[in-house]
Amino acid sequence: GAGVSQSPRYKVAKRGQDVALRCDPISGHVSLFWYQQALGQGPEFLTYFQNEAQLDKSGLPSDRFFAERPEGSVSTLKIQRTQQEDSAVYLCASSPLTGAYNEQFFGPGTRLTVL
Amino acid sequence: AQSVTQPDIHITVSEGASLELRCNYSYGATPYLFWYVQSPGQGLQLLLKYFSGDTLVQGIKGFEAEFKRSQSSFNLRKPSVHWSDAAEYFCALQRGDSGYALNFGKGTSLLVTP
Repeated sequence: GAGVSQSPRYKVAKRGQDVALRCDPISGHVSLFWYQQALGQGPEFLTYFQNEAQLDKSGLPSDRFFAERPEGSVSTLKIQRTQQEDSAVYLCASSPLTGAYNEQFFGPGTRLTVL
Repeated sequence: AQSVTQPDIHITVSEGASLELRCNYSYGATPYLFWYVQSPGQGLQLLLKYFSGDTLVQGIKGFEAEFKRSQSSFNLRKPSVHWSDAAEYFCALQRGDSGYALNFGKGTSLLVTP
């Protein structure tokens, strides 16, 4: 069956450009998470959606980062005025329910390189 | 604090040898723990999870992990490693907030030699 998909898989941006990263979760999954994985590090939490509601954005590194999930399915992570420190792999994960005990299913990630 | 430590950045084992990857956690309540594997260019794949009950958890690909509350550990093991097991391994702790997002360790890179 279809898993979590992300696009583009690779993105190169010049410093100062805006980028948009897309996540298509597994159909019907209620919870959606974004993580940032810097080179040689583990993923770090950015933000969490329950359906269309963004319930936690405490992990977003700055106000240049913005995420949305307007219809409770596809989500977009937008980074404005990209900086070199934004270079990382951005992972999206979805989960069928909310609460504990739920497995998160991860997409392949988008590798962002800011020059 | 809710955190995960993976003390070994790199581990090298010979094919056919046994494997143990270490994971220590810090959490004030009963932890929900996971092991994920990440191959180059691939997403994270869940190997196994611990929520409660039996402290020895069986996973996919012949992996198992043992939860030891007294040592705050959740080490991953495999009796005989295959070359295809070479990958990055992440231990993760489910947070009590943020929609139960995951706190990951920094990962252990496994190299398998012939």
